[in-house]
Amino acid sequence: GDSVTQMEGPVTLSEEAFLTINCTYTATGYPSLFWYVQYPGEGLQLLLKATKADDKGSNKGFEATYRKETTSFHLEKGSVQVSDSAVYFCASGSARQLTFGSGTQLTVLP
Amino acid sequence: KAGVTQTPRYLIKTRGQQVTLSCSPISGHRSVSWYQQTPGQGLQFLFEYFSETQRNKGNFPGRFSGRQFSNSRSEMNVSTLELGDSALYLCASSPPFQAHHEQYFGPGTRLTVT
Repeated sequence: GDSVTQMEGPVTLSEEAFLTINCTYTATGYPSLFWYVQYPGEGLQLLLKATKADDKGSNKGFEATYRKETTSFHLEKGSVQVSDSAVYFCASGSARQLTFGSGTQLTVLP
Repeated sequence: KAGVTQTPRYLIKTRGQQVTLSCSPISGHRSVSWYQQTPGQGLQFLFEYFSETQRNKGNFPGRFSGRQFSNSRSEMNVSTLELGDSALYLCASSPPFQAHHEQYFGPGTRLTVT
């Protein structure tokens, strides 16, 4: 089945720093790829998505590009804010289910 | 548009009991999926329902079951609870006529088994 490998955390950054969270996947076929964010005590919020190779998903300053050749979907943001502190999950979607990475805890310090 | 709602938000049960969790999808969404989230195993797919039919099932024992009603609301049931069933149970719904597995999650039900 599908699997998603995500950069281990936790990650601690200062406000306005550049963020990269690595994500690679293995899948049969061509899955859709997603980043979800989870704030404390809440469910998952869809942050961005890409449905085919070379697609770039973007939202709230976050970006990720679907790289089929490297089977990757790395999350980036040019300047993080304290409010971005949360757990980030990479996921692949196929066969009507999502397969998640282990999550990366991000803490942004003022 | 209202989001996915789950009830109850918190539950405490004793080993051996059974529990039923409820999920109401976003209006117009007909597919509902359930996931279990634990610190040790992360997020794991339980099952997916569409038009009252289970279309896909994850690798969980038969103690975990679900159903969907004609209004797309869904319930999941766990019988003979074990300590290891303590988790956050997340429900998600999907928009109709989309093939990209995009799912929108509710806030979850936190189940504690003592």
